[in-house]
Amino acid sequence: AQSVTQPDIHITVSEGASLELRCNYSYGATPYLFWYVQSPGQGLQLLLKYFSGDTLVQGIKGFEAEFKRSQSSFNLRKPSVHWSDAAEYFCAVANTGGFKTIFGAGTRLFVKA
Amino acid sequence: DTGVSQNPRHKITKRGQNVTFRCDPISEHNRLYWYRQTLGQGPEFLTYFQNEAQLEKSRLLSDRFSAERPKGSFSTLEIQRTEQGDSAMYLCASSLGVGTNTGELFFGEGSRLTVL
Repeated sequence: AQSVTQPDIHITVSEGASLELRCNYSYGATPYLFWYVQSPGQGLQLLLKYFSGDTLVQGIKGFEAEFKRSQSSFNLRKPSVHWSDAAEYFCAVANTGGFKTIFGAGTRLFVKA
Repeated sequence: DTGVSQNPRHKITKRGQNVTFRCDPISEHNRLYWYRQTLGQGPEFLTYFQNEAQLEKSRLLSDRFSAERPKGSFSTLEIQRTEQGDSAMYLCASSLGVGTNTGELFFGEGSRLTVL
């Protein structure tokens, strides 16, 4: 069965600092991997996704993520955080065919001035 | 707005009452999903439709929960005899499940249920 672990419940970074959010997944086959962001009162929005090919994927809002099969990880990064990035971030894994997506518990990002 | 629409956005009910939520997906999307999200948790998969067929249901979906998508367009999620533990945000998402499906989900803003 699929599962996703986000080890950090919350993270605080200074504006302008770099960010890395951790994600580990469990899935028997080649996974479809996603990062979604949820701002207060908003629906979840896709940041980026990985299916195959280049293991470093670029997303919206300057985010990127790297798939590391050997570590079963798909960490999200951003070189310079903006105050507007404060939100909850969810890593997710979908089965082949993409019809069942399982989410991690999320990491809440706080940005300090 | 052509995104996923959910109604009502908020529902407060007394324990034991029935509630129904509606989801209107993006029109060309043939897959529709229901998730439940409680405070501090990620969305939990409840059920999934491809067109009008309900293809998978989570064990989280007890007998008090029923979901339909009668014409392969909008969907309803009904909770009968609500319990306080049903208090949560109910999220609907849709996706295009044919061809080069990439599994990307498009979410609505959710329907928040509070059971008193």
